[in-house]
Amino acid sequence: GQNIDQPTEMTATEGAIVQINCTYQTSGFNGLFWYQQHAGEAPTFLSYNVLDGLEEKGRFSSFLSRSKGYSYLLLKELQMKDSASYLCALPPYNQGGKLIFGQGTELSVKP
Amino acid sequence: EAQVTQNPRYLITVTGKKLTVTCSQNMNHEYMSWYRQDPGLGLRQIYYSMNVEVTDKGDVPEGYKVSRKEKRNFPLILESPSPNQTSLYFCASRSIRQGAGEKLFFGSGTQLSVL
Repeated sequence: GQNIDQPTEMTATEGAIVQINCTYQTSGFNGLFWYQQHAGEAPTFLSYNVLDGLEEKGRFSSFLSRSKGYSYLLLKELQMKDSASYLCALPPYNQGGKLIFGQGTELSVKP
Repeated sequence: EAQVTQNPRYLITVTGKKLTVTCSQNMNHEYMSWYRQDPGLGLRQIYYSMNVEVTDKGDVPEGYKVSRKEKRNFPLILESPSPNQTSLYFCASRSIRQGAGEKLFFGSGTQLSVL
């Protein structure tokens, strides 16, 4: 089976850096996603990590350690519009298209 | 423009009255899926389809039906809706072709209230 764990909520200040962690347990690994979701809207894709290490995309970076079952999303130069829920998700190994989402981390960015 | 189109955006209905939420994608994706999202429970998969005429249950399929008669459409059917199916629903699709990437494209969501 699979299990994904992320903090329920976090608060940070505009202009700061915040790290959102995700730990997971899975019987087989097939990559890890991060999605951003604003309230009442559809999730939007942020990153997909398959190999260990840090991938940077502008203000957002994602890190993966497969041996530790651990990933994080790093958001730099926080803006008010970054207030959203951040979802960690795993495509299960050998189960076709069944993507499993964590419950999400609600990030509040304050002035 | 590449997109997943869901309709309606909002729906209020009564217990037992059959309804269909439509989903259509214009990207020729093989894979389509339905999720429901509830506070404290996150996104949970209802059904998914790997191609035409191929559907499989997700984690919470009870009370729902789907069909995949054409590649672009994947409607979600509630034969006899109940109040516990009040939720925010999302349709999603992606390509399963090698090298196409794993990214899911989501529809804009359907907020369903069953009274």
